[in-house]
Amino acid sequence: QVQLQESGPGLVEPSETLSLTCTVSGYSISSGYVWGWIRQPPGKGLEWIGSMSYTGRTFYSPSLESRVIISLDASKNQFSLKMTSVTAADTAVYYCGRVNWIVDYWGQGTLVTVSS
Amino acid sequence: QSVLTQPPSASGSPGQSVTISCTGTSSDVGGYNQVSWYQQHPGKAPKLMIYEVTKRPSGVPDRFAGSKSGNTASLTVSGLQAEDEADYYCSSYVGGENLVFGGGTKVTVL
Repeated sequence: QVQLQESGPGLVEPSETLSLTCTVSGYSISSGYVWGWIRQPPGKGLEWIGSMSYTGRTFYSPSLESRVIISLDASKNQFSLKMTSVTAADTAVYYCGRVNWIVDYWGQGTLVTVSS
Repeated sequence: QSVLTQPPSASGSPGQSVTISCTGTSSDVGGYNQVSWYQQHPGKAPKLMIYEVTKRPSGVPDRFAGSKSGNTASLTVSGLQAEDEADYYCSSYVGGENLVFGGGTKVTVL
């Protein structure tokens, strides 16, 4: 059974960098698939952030690509999200997921609040 | 503003059917047979209910059915049950391993 778990700071100051890690169990991320991040502001809908394939190719939402970097660490079976220059508008629950033209496995989500 | 347009709400009585639309363009919904639907209960992660327009993952009741015509996809929930009350999101592949989501529809079981 594939499981994903997000981790990282729950509070980030404005203008700083948001950093999250997704730990995958039950599947080796270097074996295949694409691994992605999705966010959901409080009370709002889902927003695609971007993804990275097991081969290292990255794909970002055009609206966020100037501030986002996704990377993989196969040795730890983890992938990560970095988002720079955050503002209050980046406050959201951040989900990681396995992507195969769909998101078939989701993490439980982690709330990140941008505030001083 | 979401790329895919969904009605904000829909409702039905137990046992009835409800249909949710998801309107995009030829660059997303109309251009690929990779439309999916997710159910989200409050405080929970989304759950995949439909993929490739009409297919159901194992364990999803056949009360859930997907379809597509042109640039509009639809999700129909038949025989509504109390546990179907949730938010529903459509999604479409848009190339380059990117996805887009709809704004979500809150389904209320009256």
